Order: sequence, then C-alpha cells, then structure tokens
Amino acid sequence: AQSVTQLDSQVPVFEEAPVELRCNYSSSVSVYLFWYVQYPNQGLQLLLKYLSGSTLVKGINGFEAEFNKSQTSFHLRKPSVHISDTAEYFCAVSGLRGGAQKLVFGQGTRLTINP
Amino acid sequence: ETGVTQTPRHLVMGMTNKKSLKCEQHLGHNAMYWYKQSAKKPLELMFVYSLEERVENNSVPSRFSPECPNSSHLFLHLHTLQPEDSALYLCASSQGGQGRNEQYFGPGTRLTVT
Repeated sequence: AQSVTQLDSQVPVFEEAPVELRCNYSSSVSVYLFWYVQYPNQGLQLLLKYLSGSTLVKGINGFEAEFNKSQTSFHLRKPSVHISDTAEYFCAVSGLRGGAQKLVFGQGTRLTINP
Repeated sequence: ETGVTQTPRHLVMGMTNKKSLKCEQHLGHNAMYWYKQSAKKPLELMFVYSLEERVENNSVPSRFSPECPNSSHLFLHLHTLQPEDSALYLCASSQGGQGRNEQYFGPGTRLTVT
C-alpha cells in the first residue's frame, strides 16, 4: 500500500523568505510523485512531478522539489515566496488501479505568506 | 470551454432532496474521478472510471451514485444526504493506463446539506 505524510499542517513565512514544505511517502513499488497547489475556492493544479531521471524537479511559479529515494522524501522548496503563493499544497504518490491512475494524497500543508 | 468544468459551483440541499453534480472534461482523457474534500481531512477518492467502467468504489455510501455515460461526462447523483456530507466535491480526469500522467481537476462543487 502507498501512503503520503506531510509533516506540517501549516507553514507561515514572511514574503521573500525561502520555504520548504516536507513530504514523505511509502510505497513498495517504483513511484511517481506529484505536488499540487489549491488556491482558495479553486480545484487542484499541478505544480510539478517526478517520474524518473534527475532527482531535482522544477515546476511552475519558481517551485522545485527533490526526490530522495533513501529518505523516501519529496520536499518542495521555493527560494523566495510571494503573497500570491498563499495556498494549500498537496503531495501525492501515484499507483495504478484498473487501468486508471490512483493518487494517494497527503493531508495538505497550508502556506501563509505574511507581508 | 477548456479543461475540466463542474456545475453547479455551489449547492445547498435538504436531507430529503435529490440532486446531481455534473463534470465535463474537454481534454480527451479516458479516466475520470470523484473526490470529496472535507475540512481538516485528506482528499478522499470516491469513485474512479476508466473507459466508462467503474474501477474503484472506495466504500462510499449508497446515497452517492455515480454515472459515466461517456468518456467526457461524469455525474454524481445525490439523495437523502446527511449534514456530514457537506464538503467540496472535486472531479478530475487523466489519461489513464499510466501512473505517470497527472490528473486535471475541476474547480469543485461546494455542497451544503441542511
């Protein structure tokens, strides 16, 4: 079975500061990993994904994540955040079920940017 | 229309009502999903359809009834709901068959059961 743990439910940071949102996963098979963002009153939007190859993955809006197989982690980082980054962030691991993808999500991390 | 659309965006219904949520994807995908998002809980996968066949039903109560008439449309029929069913219901689609493909989400329907 697959599972995802997001270690922080809330992360407050000041504008232009760096941020790291932590994600650990467990899976008995090769994984595909995703970070999604949810802005208020909207659905989820893909930030980035790790499939294979380079362990450092770059996504939209200046975010990047590093896949660490030995630590089973996929932490999300941004060197300098903006007010507009205020949102909920979800880490997810992918599996297959009956020909369709099955995503297992973490509990989410609410990122709040203070001016 | 582009991406994944959901209607209505907001719905208030009494416990004895019957209503339906609609989802439409304009991406040519062959898999569609219903999720429930409640406050302080992880996203809960409810149903998965692949090539119009239901391939997952995560122990969802029978008061929720999905329907997938074709690969572009997905419905969630609701009847005799409970207040604890109040939540954001999200629809998503993907090109199934490979775990590497991301899901595309609609904006959700905010459901309030009174």
